[in-house]
Amino acid sequence: DQQVKQNSPSLSVQEGRISILNCDYTNSMFDYFLWYKKYPAEGPTFLISISSIKDKNEDGRFTVFLNKSAKHLSLHIVPSQPGDSAVYFCAASPGGSNYKLTFGKGTLLTVNP
Amino acid sequence: GAVVSQHPSWVICKSGTSVKIECRSLDFQATTMFWYRQFPKQSLMLMATSNEGSKATYEQGVEKDKFLINHASLTLSTLTVTSAHPEDSSFYICSARDQTGGSPLHFGNGTRLTVT
Repeated sequence: DQQVKQNSPSLSVQEGRISILNCDYTNSMFDYFLWYKKYPAEGPTFLISISSIKDKNEDGRFTVFLNKSAKHLSLHIVPSQPGDSAVYFCAASPGGSNYKLTFGKGTLLTVNP
Repeated sequence: GAVVSQHPSWVICKSGTSVKIECRSLDFQATTMFWYRQFPKQSLMLMATSNEGSKATYEQGVEKDKFLINHASLTLSTLTVTSAHPEDSSFYICSARDQTGGSPLHFGNGTRLTVT
């Protein structure tokens, strides 16, 4: 039973446009959420996080939105750049901590020049 | 920034042999490290939590006698895949949390294990 779901295995976006990556979760105990970016044969790199007391967190081109009632979060990248092309993983953890993460399956983002 | 080094980056071994993977935190101390496994097109699955100076905590379905974890210092955890079989072939990734807190998990670059 997947507790963190990324239903889109891939997404293709034109350079300069907005990329929106979605993530749903089922475990109501999750209250800390993170996005990681991963290139092939490398470990994930932390991008941005959000705790359940917030509904938005912004860091440069990256913004994460959290809708607790819908158990849904999304990552917005604007403007998208070719270097953003990678697999993006949504992760969640319970109890206000940032460890023991449960990951989604990832979404492959391709930004076309 | 914080760096986690994982070694080797890839290894090929014969069925029945054992393989050791090292995970080091290079510029911070980590009382807790985590070992994940990723199969193709799947999510990273937590295998175990490695605690410095004590026994590891394994997730349900992970055989502790097969995946031996040792966390002998605040900067080093090792995962040994014992009596490896082809079905153990996977991408193994470690992560570490700065014990001072306030930072997310940092991941190593992973180890691609192929058992022939």
